[in-house]
Amino acid sequence: DGGITQSPKYLFRKEGQNVTLSCEQNLNHDAMYWYRQDPGQGLRLIYYSQIVNDFQKGDIAEGYSVSREKKESFPLTVTSAQKNPTAFYLCASSMASSYNEQFFGPGTRLTVL
Amino acid sequence: DQQVKQNSPSLSVQEGRISILNCDYTNSMFDYFLWYKKYPAEGPTFLISISSIKDKNEDGRFTVFLNKSAKHLSLHIVPSQPGDSAVYFCAAYNDYKLSFGAGTTVTVRA
Repeated sequence: DGGITQSPKYLFRKEGQNVTLSCEQNLNHDAMYWYRQDPGQGLRLIYYSQIVNDFQKGDIAEGYSVSREKKESFPLTVTSAQKNPTAFYLCASSMASSYNEQFFGPGTRLTVL
Repeated sequence: DQQVKQNSPSLSVQEGRISILNCDYTNSMFDYFLWYKKYPAEGPTFLISISSIKDKNEDGRFTVFLNKSAKHLSLHIVPSQPGDSAVYFCAAYNDYKLSFGAGTTVTVRA
């Protein structure tokens, strides 16, 4: 049963702490993406990776970091430098032959207290 | 600089009638357009797409229309069903990336 998993679904952290969100896919997709959704707004691209060991900044990369050491995994770290980290975070993946057709995971709701 | 805009934040429609969702874009380099459906606290699911070289694509109850000269696309859902109540996002593709609109919340009334 192929898909994208994100864990945990809800995450709470104290202000000033770094936190890492997990994203795993078993679709054999080459590309992976991280988006952020805030109330009343669309999804905004944080980082994306087209191949292993390579990634690019999206529109709102400041305060975030990623790694792509394995094809199936693309963890996102929300650092203390991110000024408004509370949001719904979505991971997605796509095949190299169709970057436009992205499949999304269930999301992680991060709340910074 | 929002390149994809959905100017109607909400839409209420009676069950069985047509739902029409609108989307405008500014970047003429977009070459693919998609609609996603999203329930609260879940990830978006792909609904339907259209290439920039076409003006219409139909899939069951869902039809997407593209007017390139007006930089406008729309999604028609006929007939609307209670399970269609969700947030619908318009997205446009260019240079390995998707740009999303803010979404339209559709409520289907019984």
